[in-house]
Amino acid sequence: DIQMTQSPSSLSASVGDRVTITCRASQTIADHLAWFQQKPGKIPELLIYSGSILHSGAPSRFSGSRSGTDFTLTISSLQPEDVATYYCQKYNIAPFTFGPGTKVELK
Amino acid sequence: QVQLQESGPGLVKPSETLSLTCTVSGGMNSDSYYWNWIRQHPGKGLEWIGYISYSGSTFYNPSLKSRVTMLIDKSKNQFSLKLSSVTAADTAVYYCANIRVGSTVESWGQGTLVTVSS
Repeated sequence: DIQMTQSPSSLSASVGDRVTITCRASQTIADHLAWFQQKPGKIPELLIYSGSILHSGAPSRFSGSRSGTDFTLTISSLQPEDVATYYCQKYNIAPFTFGPGTKVELK
Repeated sequence: QVQLQESGPGLVKPSETLSLTCTVSGGMNSDSYYWNWIRQHPGKGLEWIGYISYSGSTFYNPSLKSRVTMLIDKSKNQFSLKLSSVTAADTAVYYCANIRVGSTVESWGQGTLVTVSS
């Protein structure tokens, strides 16, 4: 099965900082990757699908990109409401594995 | 978009079978979707458990496959999860969710906490 890894596992940044999270698939998944944001006590919310397409309603400061089997989620200017855990998920074929998550905190 | 709602016991004894049902509002009579269970251990990440399609085909996470059964009840617009021989390690919030074929999760249930304890 394809394994999904994320780095870093956590980060601390200041308001206005550019934040980058990486997700790596152990084999090719084409662009079948989504990014979710989960705030404490809430259900995950879709931010990005197909590796780089912003989901309707997601703030434009979020963007995604792909290079081979490496995917990046970027927050262009971190806001206080972005404090959350971010997960990638592959959906090319089952199992629809999630990455382990990246916790984003404010410095 | 459909709405999903989990139901079932919040407390299960060790070695017993966890049983949850997801009720789908808005229809599920299409093979365009997979009907999924996902869980989240307290303070941990998301773990995909498996799916069942409208036609009844299933795919389970290999790590749980030996203990998981999913069924669909088309007459009630429900699908269910059974997880056998539970231990404390199965304590988690369990979510049901639908995934469009070829895409990612469209809708999530609110989640239900299941605690395994005697």
